Amino acid sequence: DTEVTQTPKHLVMGMTNKKSLKCEQHMGHRAMYWYKQKAKKPPELMFVYSYEKLSINESVPSRFSPECPNSSLLNLHLHALQPEDSALYLCASSQDGQSRYGYTFGSGTRLTVV
Amino acid sequence: AQKVTQAQTEISVVEKEDVTLDCVYETRDTTYYLFWYKQPPSGELVFLIRRNSFDEQNEISGRYSWNFQKSTSSFNFTITASQVVDSAVYFCALNDYKLSFGAGTTVTVRA
Repeated sequence: DTEVTQTPKHLVMGMTNKKSLKCEQHMGHRAMYWYKQKAKKPPELMFVYSYEKLSINESVPSRFSPECPNSSLLNLHLHALQPEDSALYLCASSQDGQSRYGYTFGSGTRLTVV
Repeated sequence: AQKVTQAQTEISVVEKEDVTLDCVYETRDTTYYLFWYKQPPSGELVFLIRRNSFDEQNEISGRYSWNFQKSTSSFNFTITASQVVDSAVYFCALNDYKLSFGAGTTVTVRA
């Protein structure tokens, strides 16, 4: 299995809703990442988990809450989002936190906040 | 601090033409890794090539080749004999402690 699987592929949520994005990999990678990508922009790093511990938080607002229950699973909990949070959310994994071997990205979740 | 610059916003070519994408990077680290990723309309980022800062050997892999020049901090990428399926956004990325992307170059290959 050489894939990063993200669910759901599309999500529409209201500003008062609570939802979660899920990311899963079974490649034995020990580092996992959340990126946010606005239209016609490059991906921007949000969070890094290394060996199931949060190692980088790029000053992301608290309405985004990451969780790494185990080495194969990464969640992003969403609460009280704003319309400007609408974007493609990409999950990635790498063998280790040094990322020397490259990153494997999922196909993303397209989030629309209404 | 690190920075990746892709000066070309869009490139349009006719099928079978070669396409060269420019990338200039900036970092204070002596150990770093450079990547090229392709993002088709479906959204998934597809890994193409990786090069570390200690290896300036340029290579060819199928229709892809790259030119890494540490002296000019450039990591250019060429698609030879382009095909319509090569149409996508191409990102150059630099990793020292985190992966940072350039702005991307949209490549359109016309039949």
